[in-house]
Amino acid sequence: EAQVTQNPRYLITVTGKKLTVTCSQNMNHEYMSWYRQDPGLGLRQIYYSMNVEVTDKGDVPEGYKVSRKEKRNFPLILESPSPNQTSLYFCASSGQGLGQETQYFGPGTRLLVL
Amino acid sequence: ELKVEQNPLFLSMQEGKNYTIYCNYSTTSDRLYWYRQDPGKSLESLFVLLSNGAVKQEGRLMASLDTKARLSTLHITAAVHDLSATYFCAGSSGTYKYIFGTGTRLKVLA
Repeated sequence: EAQVTQNPRYLITVTGKKLTVTCSQNMNHEYMSWYRQDPGLGLRQIYYSMNVEVTDKGDVPEGYKVSRKEKRNFPLILESPSPNQTSLYFCASSGQGLGQETQYFGPGTRLLVL
Repeated sequence: ELKVEQNPLFLSMQEGKNYTIYCNYSTTSDRLYWYRQDPGKSLESLFVLLSNGAVKQEGRLMASLDTKARLSTLHITAAVHDLSATYFCAGSSGTYKYIFGTGTRLKVLA
């Protein structure tokens, strides 16, 4: 089954404790992206990746890091989480080129930073 | 810098009625996307609109794009309860950088 998976689905942590949220897709997609969703703000893009070793900042990259060492994986790293990073996070992937722009979203990771 | 605005933010409608959700964007957007999100769930892609005048339909939903007016619409025909969800539009500016609207929460009343 074609899918995007994220782990963990729920996470409670404390300020300053490094964490990683994993994202994996099995569709051989070149493009992957991370978003955060906050009430009243819609989705905001954090980072995206056009292919292995190619990443770029979205609208709200501060406080986050990413890496793309393999095509299928795109982990999101919070080196020193703060309470304002409490949010719902989604990973997404898509192909590139005409007819492949549809983004497929993971199930989401709900993060609470105390 | 691309900005995307949706209206209305909330929409409560009776079953069987028609309504339209509007999505305005501020600068050129290569493509326009519509997504649906059910409560507590992830996002599901509905439509990708690639060019001026594009119209796509799926069931009771029809999306259109007017690039000159920088406007996309999502029209709901004869609404049913199952269409209750939050709908997002999103634009992109060529580099796979996506900007989402804040969403329209639709509630269809029986």
